Amino acid sequence: DQQVKQNSPSLSVQEGRISILNCDYTNSMFDYFLWYKKYPAEGPTFLISISSIKDKNEDGRFTVFLNKSAKHLSLHIVPSQPGDSAVYFCAASKGTYKYIFGTGTRLKVLA
Amino acid sequence: KAGVTQTPRYLIKTRGQQVTLSCSPISGHRSVSWYQQTPGQGLQFLFEYFSETQRNKGNFPGRFSGRQFSNSRSEMNVSTLELGDSALYLCASSLGDRKTYEQYFGPGTRLTVT
Repeated sequence: DQQVKQNSPSLSVQEGRISILNCDYTNSMFDYFLWYKKYPAEGPTFLISISSIKDKNEDGRFTVFLNKSAKHLSLHIVPSQPGDSAVYFCAASKGTYKYIFGTGTRLKVLA
Repeated sequence: KAGVTQTPRYLIKTRGQQVTLSCSPISGHRSVSWYQQTPGQGLQFLFEYFSETQRNKGNFPGRFSGRQFSNSRSEMNVSTLELGDSALYLCASSLGDRKTYEQYFGPGTRLTVT
């Protein structure tokens, strides 16, 4: 039972445009969400978080939106840069440090 | 501030052996979580330690165990290794205060079981 889903395995975007990565979850008890970027043979790098009491959080070029009624969150990267090319994971937890991860979306930013 | 460190970075073991992996969290962080990453299963939670106590546990067999020391450093042990244990083992460090839930990962230990 995949509680956190990233339905797009890959995404290609032109440099300078917006990248939108999506994540859906099934458990309404999830109340904290994280996004990570991962390069091959490295650990995930923390990007941005959001708690269920908010519907938006921004940090520089990264913005995360949370739609609790749809059980959906998205990560927006504006503007996209070639260095953003990586695999992006969303993760969810129920008020603990035990996170359920999605399967990842591979983003390719084309120069 | 130094990041999360994991040792060793690479390890090759034989089926039936046991292995111990080490993780040093970010200074001031008291929670350490362990994850297994495989191509087939993705990132899966093993367990979380806080103040030398296991606070959360995932769905892995008892061959996987861990511990945390008073300085928050943690070790993970896998006994009676199986071929399917070949994976990237990741350690994540958090404040553990249940107010902020960000986790910061180390570079991982790549375990290969032959």
